[in-house]
Amino acid sequence: GDSVTQMEGPVTLSEEAFLTINCTYTATGYPSLFWYVQYPGEGLQLLLKATKADDKGSNKGFEATYRKETTSFHLEKGSVQVSDSAVYFCALSEKGGNKLVFGAGTILRVKS
Amino acid sequence: NAGVTQTPKFQVLKTGQSMTLQCAQDMNHEYMSWYRQDPGMGLRLIHYSVGAGITDQGEVPNGYNVSRSTTEDFPLRLLSAAPSQTSVYFCASSPRFAGAREKLFFGSGTQLSVL
Repeated sequence: GDSVTQMEGPVTLSEEAFLTINCTYTATGYPSLFWYVQYPGEGLQLLLKATKADDKGSNKGFEATYRKETTSFHLEKGSVQVSDSAVYFCALSEKGGNKLVFGAGTILRVKS
Repeated sequence: NAGVTQTPKFQVLKTGQSMTLQCAQDMNHEYMSWYRQDPGMGLRLIHYSVGAGITDQGEVPNGYNVSRSTTEDFPLRLLSAAPSQTSVYFCASSPRFAGAREKLFFGSGTQLSVL
């Protein structure tokens, strides 16, 4: 079945450091890919998405590129802030499907 | 605009007790779903609904029942609570779910402990 694998955390960075959170997926078809973010005490919210190979999703300084050849969707940000501290989830959805499949989540802690 | 509202926020049950987690959305969304979040396992889909009167099972449906009598409400029932159901439960909705066209709107969660 479909699955998503994320790098284990927590990831601890200093403010203004470069961020990469790795995400790889297994899917039978050509899924759409997502990054969701969960701030402390809140539900998840969509951060960015990409629907086909080589698409780049971006939002709030975060970027991720859909790489079909490596089945990856790594999240990057050039300069993190303390306010970026949260849990980040990679997810996929098969085209025409009714379900999102989530990875285990990666905790990001940014220190000032 | 309230969005997706979940009640209660916290609940403690004894093994064998039953209860209903409430979820309501005021956005006229067709699609609603329930997830549970456990450490190291991310979110797993319990049940979902693509419209009033239509429900289907997700990845981990055992021990849970749902119904969808109205577009707005999608309650999750635990018939006989077990310690393995200790988790954080999230309800999520979207206007239409067909691949990537719509994003999910999540409630703020219900933290459930079963003793």
